[in-house]
Amino acid sequence: GAVVSQHPSRVICKSGTSVKIECRSLDFQATTMFWYRQFPKQSLMLMATSNEGSKATYEQGVEKDKFLINHASLTLSTLTVTSAHPEDSSFYICSAREGGLEKLFFGSGTQLSVL
Amino acid sequence: AQKITQTQPGMFVQEKEAVTLDCTYDTSDPSYGLFWYKQPSSGEMIFLIYQGSYDQQNATEGRYSLNFQKARKSANLVISASQLGDSAMYFCAMRENTGNQFYFGTGTSLTVIP
Repeated sequence: GAVVSQHPSRVICKSGTSVKIECRSLDFQATTMFWYRQFPKQSLMLMATSNEGSKATYEQGVEKDKFLINHASLTLSTLTVTSAHPEDSSFYICSAREGGLEKLFFGSGTQLSVL
Repeated sequence: AQKITQTQPGMFVQEKEAVTLDCTYDTSDPSYGLFWYKQPSSGEMIFLIYQGSYDQQNATEGRYSLNFQKARKSANLVISASQLGDSAMYFCAMRENTGNQFYFGTGTSLTVIP
């Protein structure tokens, strides 16, 4: 089955620094990838939809200048949390949908802790 | 209005018993897909089962079956012969044919008791 790889799985950084999270579709081309944020024991909150070769579509309330999304190729999307603050600490998870198939494939998630 | 509603924040089931996790949805799109995902404590989201709105039969995948009642707009997940490894969060999700977005419910935490 399709595999989505997300890296790193865990990152701790200092306040004010930037963190990049990578999401790769390993055996299929993903024209669209989704980035979610999840707080403990809560549901997934869609942050943005990442489209290959074009600008990401951000959900209401998500700061596009803070959460930079780049989808440079059909297999790679990146989320960069810029000038991280402790309130950005969360679980971030990406997903991709293989063309012609219905289901979403998820990465394993990234636990971000900002000190 | 919520697109996906999961009314059971937590459920307990005895090992080897069956359990039903509830999910109702709201859409005016005649074509849509319904999904269940499992999220263990490790955080990964594991696809379990899919039901298309036009599918005549309820979907089944091993010990998982989806009780699809279209008129009621419900898509309950049934797990048979529960195992300890089934303890996890379970999310119901929907994708409407008119859009690209997946809508997720708030999840149900399932605990299997030995």
